[in-house]
Amino acid sequence: AQTVTQSQPEMSVQEAETVTLSCTYDTSESDYYLFWYKQPPSRQMILVIRQEAYKQQNATENRFSVNFQKAAKSFSLKISDSQLGDAAMYFCAYKGTYKYIFGTGTRLKVLA
Amino acid sequence: DSGVTQTPKHLITATGQRVTLRCSPRSGDLSVYWYQQSLDQGLQFLIQYYNGEERAKGNILERFSAQQFPDLHSELNLSSLELGDSALYFCASSGDRELNTEAFFGQGTRLTVV
Repeated sequence: AQTVTQSQPEMSVQEAETVTLSCTYDTSESDYYLFWYKQPPSRQMILVIRQEAYKQQNATENRFSVNFQKAAKSFSLKISDSQLGDAAMYFCAYKGTYKYIFGTGTRLKVLA
Repeated sequence: DSGVTQTPKHLITATGQRVTLRCSPRSGDLSVYWYQQSLDQGLQFLIQYYNGEERAKGNILERFSAQQFPDLHSELNLSSLELGDSALYFCASSGDRELNTEAFFGQGTRLTVV
């Protein structure tokens, strides 16, 4: 069975600084997608970034980028120039053949 | 706006009661997923439907059931409710033009069992 692990329950970053959130996963599937979702206090689930497993190039979306290490089954999220609005729960997610599997989340605090 | 609509947004009910949560997926999406999120917890997968058929099942209690109708909307039925069922219930949908796209989430139904 596939699993997703986020080992950092909480992280803090100073405004304008850079922070990296960690995620590891386990799977025997060769074709899959990985995602980072953000859940602000409103509890809405918002897609931050996605990565196709067959692509070697790391995905980037403005201030958000990933470090995808397929052999190590690692998928970390880097947030550059952190803003107060980035404060939220961040969930790493795996999608293989069927369901989306989510990690337990990392709560990011942004300090002014 | 994700395009996924969940109703109601809030629901307060007593133990032992039965409720129905409704989800309308994004236009054209065939897959619907239900997740449960208890306070400050992660998302627990309950069940997935694809074009009216059950496709995958998670740790869904026997007191819970779901279905997807021909118009692709889905309902999650929760019966014999217990205090521990209080949670945020998310519905998500995904498209199938590409094999694996991101899931688009509704705003959730916040269920409080008293």
